[in-house]
Amino acid sequence: KNQVEQSPQSLIILEGKNCTLQCNYTVSPFSNLRWYKQDTGRGPVSLTIMTFSENTKSNGRYTATLDADTKQSSLHITASQLSDSASYICVVSNDYKLSFGAGTTVTVRA
Amino acid sequence: EPEVTQTPSHQVTQMGQEVILRCVPISNHLYFYWYRQILGQKVEFLVSFYNNEISEKSEIFDDQFSVERPDGSNFTLKIRSTKLEDSAMYFCASRQGITEAFFGQGTRLTVV
Repeated sequence: KNQVEQSPQSLIILEGKNCTLQCNYTVSPFSNLRWYKQDTGRGPVSLTIMTFSENTKSNGRYTATLDADTKQSSLHITASQLSDSASYICVVSNDYKLSFGAGTTVTVRA
Repeated sequence: EPEVTQTPSHQVTQMGQEVILRCVPISNHLYFYWYRQILGQKVEFLVSFYNNEISEKSEIFDDQFSVERPDGSNFTLKIRSTKLEDSAMYFCASRQGITEAFFGQGTRLTVV
């Protein structure tokens, strides 16, 4: 069964600090991996998309890494801001199907 | 920037009633999806649609659910006889190929 596991389930950080979210997957075959940010009550918005050959990709203060051998990805948020408070969802694709992780809820406090 | 549009943003319906959720995918996209997210839970796959037919569906997508692309632009999800447990956010998504999927803002369905 294709699975995507994210950790931690939730975390609280102080504004300006960094944090790292983890995603492990068993999806096969692998097409690409995406990190989405989902604000409460809103649709997921793409942060990064990574294919098999990519190890690191940045989007502003967000940096995603991918180790396709160990089937692990991380999302690093640098110098967090209050607006970073959201759920971050790891989505792994095998051709046309998307498998969702449960998400990590990040709360940034002043 | 092109976007996926969903209407309505919020729908309240009585148990047993039929509802139709509407989505306008990005125009040159070929793959279409419906997902739902019950409050506080993870996003769940319902159905994928390609080449005018369902390509895959989950266990959630039973006989009460159906999808259509009636006019080449709209992509609809119909729930024939709603149940209380159908209350959730329903997200439509579309993709051009194996590239990233774009999601709509969702329709919040409340069954009372």
